[in-house]
Amino acid sequence: DAGVTQSPTHLIKTRGQQVTLRCSPISGHKSVSWYQQVLGQGPQFIFQYYEKEERGRGNFPDRFSARQFPNYSSELNVNALLLGDSALYLCASSLGGAGDYEQYFGPGTRLTVT
Amino acid sequence: AQSVTQPDIHITVSEGASLELRCNYSYGATPYLFWYVQSPGQGLQLLLKYFSGDTLVQGIKGFEAEFKRSQSSFNLRKPSVHWSDAAEYFCAVDTGGFKTIFGAGTRLFVKA
Repeated sequence: DAGVTQSPTHLIKTRGQQVTLRCSPISGHKSVSWYQQVLGQGPQFIFQYYEKEERGRGNFPDRFSARQFPNYSSELNVNALLLGDSALYLCASSLGGAGDYEQYFGPGTRLTVT
Repeated sequence: AQSVTQPDIHITVSEGASLELRCNYSYGATPYLFWYVQSPGQGLQLLLKYFSGDTLVQGIKGFEAEFKRSQSSFNLRKPSVHWSDAAEYFCAVDTGGFKTIFGAGTRLFVKA
């Protein structure tokens, strides 16, 4: 079975632009979480979605938004990009049911803002 | 507030030597605890997890970790390190299924 997939692998954007990152979870997984990992740091939680509803949100500005589609794939949108948004963005999926806390991570999308 | 501390930014061990990576957490209840490994430019791979029960948990690649409630610790160990173990290791806490908090990571270097 395919693991978590993310696209694109890399992208370069200019300050002020908008970006959309995509994630496809493992088949059968209904929960998707997004994390930002700045170079040299641990991943920081951004959002979690379960059954197309936001279930958790980290301490990120409103420029960050996400959604989950009926097929459980997800998009992360970042508006008005800042240099500090340069990071590896990780998507993780899980079954999402009660008591299920095991997440499987994708390879990430490397975003560079210039 | 919940937090995870990995006191060692980097550790160097000789191939074949034993390894212990430290992790301390701050959380009011018994958390769900994880160790992940990340190779350069890659995503995270789960090494092991603790939810409840036996406080010594076994993981993949010969790793184990011990949960010590009295010390709020969840240290990762391996009896004999291989050169392929060189990577970044992250300890993480899940506080109820909606949010996972990661430590800053420990970079492991393995010398021949």
